[in-house]
Amino acid sequence: AQKVTQAQTEISVVEKEDVTLDCVYETRDTTYYLFWYKQPPSGELVFLIRRNSFDEQNEISGRYSWNFQKSTSSFNFTITASQVVDSAVYFCALSEASGYSTLTFGKGTMLLVSP
Amino acid sequence: DGGITQSPKYLFRKEGQNVTLSCEQNLNHDAMYWYRQDPGQGLRLIYYSQIVNDFQKGDIAEGYSVSREKKESFPLTVTSAQKNPTAFYLCASSTPGQGEETQYFGPGTRLLVL
Repeated sequence: AQKVTQAQTEISVVEKEDVTLDCVYETRDTTYYLFWYKQPPSGELVFLIRRNSFDEQNEISGRYSWNFQKSTSSFNFTITASQVVDSAVYFCALSEASGYSTLTFGKGTMLLVSP
Repeated sequence: DGGITQSPKYLFRKEGQNVTLSCEQNLNHDAMYWYRQDPGQGLRLIYYSQIVNDFQKGDIAEGYSVSREKKESFPLTVTSAQKNPTAFYLCASSTPGQGEETQYFGPGTRLLVL
């Protein structure tokens, strides 16, 4: 069965600090997809990134970067020079290519960025 | 603008009452999903539908029912059999696929029991 673990329940940083959110996954499939979503206080989940299991290239989008390592089954998310607007709950999720490709979510990491 | 709408934003349920949460999308997506979010629990899948007139149970379907009569709509009914319905409910939609499709979410409905 697939599983996603986000061991950090809550992280507090001061603005301009860099912060890394950890995500470890378990799956028996060789083809799978990993996602990160942001949930601001308003509640709606905002899609950030999707990565497939055959693409281990790291990705950078502005202040956001993602490090995918199949050897450690991890898909970590780093925010550089954090800002107050980054305060939210961040979810990592996994989808397998077999079956109907439903998402399995981690329990989320709450990030608090203070001025 | 294309997107997913959920209504109402807040919903109150009395003991023994069935309530229905609305989810509508104009993204032309075939697949739709319902999730429940409890504090510290992440999101758990209740029901999903890959096509009109077809739907499957997720991990926590007991006490819930759905219908999919139109592509744009996927209402969720919380029945009196659901003993602990207080939670935040999120609807999502996507194109059908083999796991690679991205799910897009609505703003959610917060259900409270009186």
